[in-house]
Amino acid sequence: GAVVSQHPSRVICKSGTSVKIECRSLDFQATTMFWYRQFPKQSLMLMATSNEGSKATYEQGVEKDKFLINHASLTLSTLTVTSAHPEDSSFYICSASGAGVNQPQHFGDGTRLSIL
Amino acid sequence: KQEVTQIPAALSVPEGENLVLNCSFTDSAIYNLQWFRQDPGKGLTSLLLIQSSQREQTSGRLNASLDKSSGRSTLYIAASQPGDSATYLCAVKETSGSRLTFGEGTQLTVNP
Repeated sequence: GAVVSQHPSRVICKSGTSVKIECRSLDFQATTMFWYRQFPKQSLMLMATSNEGSKATYEQGVEKDKFLINHASLTLSTLTVTSAHPEDSSFYICSASGAGVNQPQHFGDGTRLSIL
Repeated sequence: KQEVTQIPAALSVPEGENLVLNCSFTDSAIYNLQWFRQDPGKGLTSLLLIQSSQREQTSGRLNASLDKSSGRSTLYIAASQPGDSATYLCAVKETSGSRLTFGEGTQLTVNP
């Protein structure tokens, strides 16, 4: 099946640090990638959708200058949390899908971000 | 705005029991519905995807049904095993775009 690799799996860093998370599709071309945030015991909340070569579309309430998304190729998207603060601590998950409206999303294993 | 609700929020059953997880959604204009499994601290594993034109999908001990007109889906797990313990999420893909809207999940514990 389709594989999505997400790195790193865990990050612990000081407040004010910028953190980059990578999401790679290993065996298919990811036309669209999605970034989600998940708080403990809650469901996934979509942060943004990105199409290869285009600017990401952010959900309402998500600061695009805070969460920088780059989708420069059909196999890689990155999420950079700029000047992270403790309230940004969360579980971030990416997913990727191929071309076509009925293509399923394949999920990475997530990144646990802890800001001290 | 699409809203997805899952009942129950948590379920604990003895090993071997058959069980049903429920998912409801408010807007029936969907492309498909997907059931996922999430283990603690991990990403999502897709279990079953039902297209809007389908009524059910089966994979091994899992069977998912879809009644689009009433906005409901069920995930049936037969002969549950301790390894089935996880959080099960349903998500709908709307016709208006590519986004998935998730329910809050059902946390399942299967006791040996």
